[in-house]
Amino acid sequence: NAGVTQTPKFQVLKTGQSMTLQCAQDMNHEYMSWYRQDPGMGLRLIHYSVGAGITDQGEVPNGYNVSRSTTEDFPLRLLSAAPSQTSVYFCASSNGVTGELFFGEGSRLTVL
Amino acid sequence: AQSVTQLGSHVSVSEGALVLLRCNYSSSVPPYLFWYVQYPNQGLQLLLKYTSAATLVKGINGFEAEFKKSETSFHLTKPSAHMSDAAEYFCAVSERGRGKLTFGQGTILTVHP
Repeated sequence: NAGVTQTPKFQVLKTGQSMTLQCAQDMNHEYMSWYRQDPGMGLRLIHYSVGAGITDQGEVPNGYNVSRSTTEDFPLRLLSAAPSQTSVYFCASSNGVTGELFFGEGSRLTVL
Repeated sequence: AQSVTQLGSHVSVSEGALVLLRCNYSSSVPPYLFWYVQYPNQGLQLLLKYTSAATLVKGINGFEAEFKKSETSFHLTKPSAHMSDAAEYFCAVSERGRGKLTFGQGTILTVHP
């Protein structure tokens, strides 16, 4: 079972470059979300979606953009990368009933 | 707004000793509570969850947690630590059915032989 799939697993960017982190889930979950993980800060919510065409900001949305055109996909776009965006990014999905999140394996991003 | 505080960013125990990882939460509505584990360079795996059924919740790998509303706590315990338990543990809270979690800062568990 694939579950939640994130690509790429590793990426190095230069300041000012843009890129998209891909996320796909095959569990037909309504809810999808993006978190960033930084040492000592746990996971912080960037953006989330309650269904196709519906997105909302989380705790740390600045510098990131999302869209949800299908139930399966929820890409995260970095518009102009900054060193402060160096982090590990996790995509997650949920059926919204039990509240449990299913996570991808993470994408480690370094911005130079 | 919801929040989670994990007491102790690092906990060290000997193999065979009791594991106790502390979590306190704040929520204006009855919460759902979760413990996740993260092994090095991996994603997060659900250990256990509380969703308003029994207050004592049993999870995988011998872990359990007790929901105490009066103390707004959801501490994670395991009677006897194993070397394979060494990882980072995250407590999290959600509003029911919202599909998003608020996480604590994480506790790194080290297990000594």
